[in-house]
Amino acid sequence: DGGITQSPKYLFRKEGQNVTLSCEQNLNHDAMYWYRQDPGQGLRLIYYSQIVNDFQKGDIAEGYSVSREKKESFPLTVTSAQKNPTAFYLCASSIGDRDTQYFGPGTRLTVL
Amino acid sequence: DQQVKQNSPSLSVQEGRISILNCDYTNSMFDYFLWYKKYPAEGPTFLISISSIKDKNEDGRFTVFLNKSAKHLSLHIVPSQPGDSAVYFCAASGKGGSEKLVFGKGMKLTVNP
Repeated sequence: DGGITQSPKYLFRKEGQNVTLSCEQNLNHDAMYWYRQDPGQGLRLIYYSQIVNDFQKGDIAEGYSVSREKKESFPLTVTSAQKNPTAFYLCASSIGDRDTQYFGPGTRLTVL
Repeated sequence: DQQVKQNSPSLSVQEGRISILNCDYTNSMFDYFLWYKKYPAEGPTFLISISSIKDKNEDGRFTVFLNKSAKHLSLHIVPSQPGDSAVYFCAASGKGGSEKLVFGKGMKLTVNP
């Protein structure tokens, strides 16, 4: 059963701690993306990767880091440098960068 | 500067009637447009897309219309069903979809039984 999984669904962290959000896909997609959604806002692109071992900053990359060591996995680390990390984080993937993006279920991160 | 605008934050319609969701864009380089549907605490689900070489694309109850001269697109849902109640996002990209997607802020549709 192909799809995109994100874990955990809900995540709580103390202020000042780094936290890593998982995103895995078994769709054999080359491109993967991380977005952030805040209340009343659209989705804003954090980072994207068009191919393994390569990634680019999106519109709001400050305070975040990613890696793409495997085609199936694109983890996002929210560092202590991110000033307002509490948000709903969405991972997406597409066959290539010209193709429709499909989203995972999301992770809601709350920093206390 | 917001390049993709969904100016109405919400819409309420009766079951069986037509829902029309609007989206405006400012970047004339956009040539690929998509609509996503999102339920609370879930990821967006792709609904329908349209390329700038077309002015209409239909998929079942969903039809997207593109007016390039007005830089406007709309999503029509006919007939509307209570299960259509969700937040709908309009998105656009350039160069045939190879550039990154730019999303609108979303519109909440409520379909009343």
